[in-house]
Amino acid sequence: ETGVTQSPTHLIKTRGQQVTLRCSSQSGHNTVSWYQQALGQGPQFIFQYYREEENGRGNFPPRFSGLQFPNYSSELNVNALELDDSALYLCASSSMYGSSYNEQFFGPGTRLTVL
Amino acid sequence: AQSVSQHNHHVILSEAASLELGCNYSYGGTVNLFWYVQYPGQHLQLLLKYFSGDPLVKGIKGFEAEFIKSKFSFNLRKPSVQWSDTAEYFCAVNANTGNQFYFGTGTSLTVIP
Repeated sequence: ETGVTQSPTHLIKTRGQQVTLRCSSQSGHNTVSWYQQALGQGPQFIFQYYREEENGRGNFPPRFSGLQFPNYSSELNVNALELDDSALYLCASSSMYGSSYNEQFFGPGTRLTVL
Repeated sequence: AQSVSQHNHHVILSEAASLELGCNYSYGGTVNLFWYVQYPGQHLQLLLKYFSGDPLVKGIKGFEAEFIKSKFSFNLRKPSVQWSDTAEYFCAVNANTGNQFYFGTGTSLTVIP
């Protein structure tokens, strides 16, 4: 059973640029959630994707967008980067069914630095 | 909106000491509760979870947590900590009818050998 993987590991961008982060969900999982973890803070929910559609969104502006693909992998896109977007971006996969319903498994994260 | 409070930001203990980390949440409905751990250089891992039933739940590595509904609390405990328990601990809440997880700000635990 493969775990959640994310790419890239680290990324440096400048203000105003756009970035795409990628996530492969754990085998057997059909739901992907994205979180932003600023330094010294807990993860903050950005949004969740299920069946290739957004299935809930936290308090993040529209320049944060996402996609889920038929193989359940996902992308997080951030446009018009701001300095405050510097954070660790976490992807978590879960299953909407079975005994592990709503138990989220996290990837290692992508560290984004905006200069 | 839901929120999660972890009042202990940094805890330092000697090995074999007992541990209790506080977690309180604000939400009036039915919730699912989780404790996650993040060891240095590693990703978040689930320690234990509560969905329903016995309010005292046991997790991995000797950790347990007790859900006290009247106090909106889900405190994490371990009778005797080890140096290897040094990590960041996060409490998380999810409304039973929702899909959004709310995390606390985390508690950094340092165990001194």
